[in-house]
Amino acid sequence: GAVVSQHPSRVICKSGTSVKIECRSLDFQATTMFWYRQFPKQSLMLMATSNEGSKATYEQGVEKDKFLINHASLTLSTLTVTSAHPEDSSFYICSAGGGPYEQYFGPGTRLTVT
Amino acid sequence: AQTVTQSQPEMSVQEAETVTLSCTYDTSESDYYLFWYKQPPSRQMILVIRQEAYKQQNATENRFSVNFQKAAKSFSLKISDSQLGDAAMYFCAYYGGSQGNLIFGKGTKLSVKP
Repeated sequence: GAVVSQHPSRVICKSGTSVKIECRSLDFQATTMFWYRQFPKQSLMLMATSNEGSKATYEQGVEKDKFLINHASLTLSTLTVTSAHPEDSSFYICSAGGGPYEQYFGPGTRLTVT
Repeated sequence: AQTVTQSQPEMSVQEAETVTLSCTYDTSESDYYLFWYKQPPSRQMILVIRQEAYKQQNATENRFSVNFQKAAKSFSLKISDSQLGDAAMYFCAYYGGSQGNLIFGKGTKLSVKP
């Protein structure tokens, strides 16, 4: 099956710094990628939809200036958490593909902001 | 807006026994898809089973089967001959096509007792 990777798997950063998370589709091209956020013992909440070559679409309540998304190629989308704060600590998951038979999830990135 | 409700935060089953996880959803769309995902401690999302709303026949994947009641908007997952490896969080999810992303329920934590 299709493989989606995320890098890094874990990251610890200091408050006020920025951190970039990469999501790659390894063996297929993905015009659409999704970024989800999962707090401990909670469900996945959609943050934004990333479309190759165009601006991302953010869900209500998600600050687009804080969570910068770049989908510059058909195999790579990046999520940059700018000026991170402890409340941004969470598990971030991407998925690639946009159809009912094309929902491939990455392994997730655990972000800890100290 | 579409919603997915899982009313069982936690469930427990004895090894080799059968357990049923509940899910209800709300939508005004006629064409949609429903999923059950498993999230083990590794946090990797694993597709368990998919159901197309236009199909009357319930989906089955080995020990996993669903009871899809379209009129009642109910989509339960039955796990037969439960194994220790089935222990995980299980998320019910909805795909409506208009956005392309999945909408998740809050999840059910399944424990399997040896």
